[in-house]
Amino acid sequence: QSVLTQPPSVSGAPGQRVTISCTWNSSNIGTTYDVHWYQQLPGTAPKLLIYGNTDRPSGVPDRFSGSKSGTSASLAITGLQVEDEGDYYCQSYGSSVSGWVFGGGTKLTVL
Amino acid sequence: QVQLQESGPGLVKPSGTVSLICTVSGVSIRASKWWGWVRQPPGKGLEWIGEIYHSGSTNYNASLKSRLSMSVDKSKNQFSLELSSATAADTAVYYCTRDGGYAYGLDCWGQGILVTVSS
Repeated sequence: QSVLTQPPSVSGAPGQRVTISCTWNSSNIGTTYDVHWYQQLPGTAPKLLIYGNTDRPSGVPDRFSGSKSGTSASLAITGLQVEDEGDYYCQSYGSSVSGWVFGGGTKLTVL
Repeated sequence: QVQLQESGPGLVKPSGTVSLICTVSGVSIRASKWWGWVRQPPGKGLEWIGEIYHSGSTNYNASLKSRLSMSVDKSKNQFSLELSSATAADTAVYYCTRDGGYAYGLDCWGQGILVTVSS
């Protein structure tokens, strides 16, 4: 069981908006550390999608956005495209384990 | 452009050691970053293994710490992982990563290497 909790799957039609949540217990993650999001397309390595809760690395479309409040974070994807299908992971620093922790991952299906 | 490339045996016998090397190109491993490993069992999620600084300082996942060793070879711009007493549960794709820090996440990943633990 992951320290960070994500829904196993989400889906949406092309052009729609979806959100993926990431929640945790304040005793193992707290509210101090930033949340990052990774996109893993089928058969490829994960890629940093959102860092520092809200920022996009160069080259990531502004269709992807992140937010954080208290002990939860969200990834929003607008204007869904078929090529967005894949797995999405949140990550933060676990003070209770003194290391990085990942969510269990969310599979995005574009219907 | 920073690139990471994993290398090592793809098959390890049970009780053996998973030994992997990550070759860094495009930047010196002496840059002020931590360099680490993440693994992904087939069909499952990501697990952080640990990381090393160019000085040799390490941070390890507590669940793997007793079997884990990491090192840096600055002359070759490489860092490595050794995971001993391997079992089938260690079968996974292993990725090497560059850690940008608490505020920046893992900003660079290798393509990954599948390691299978089997007799």
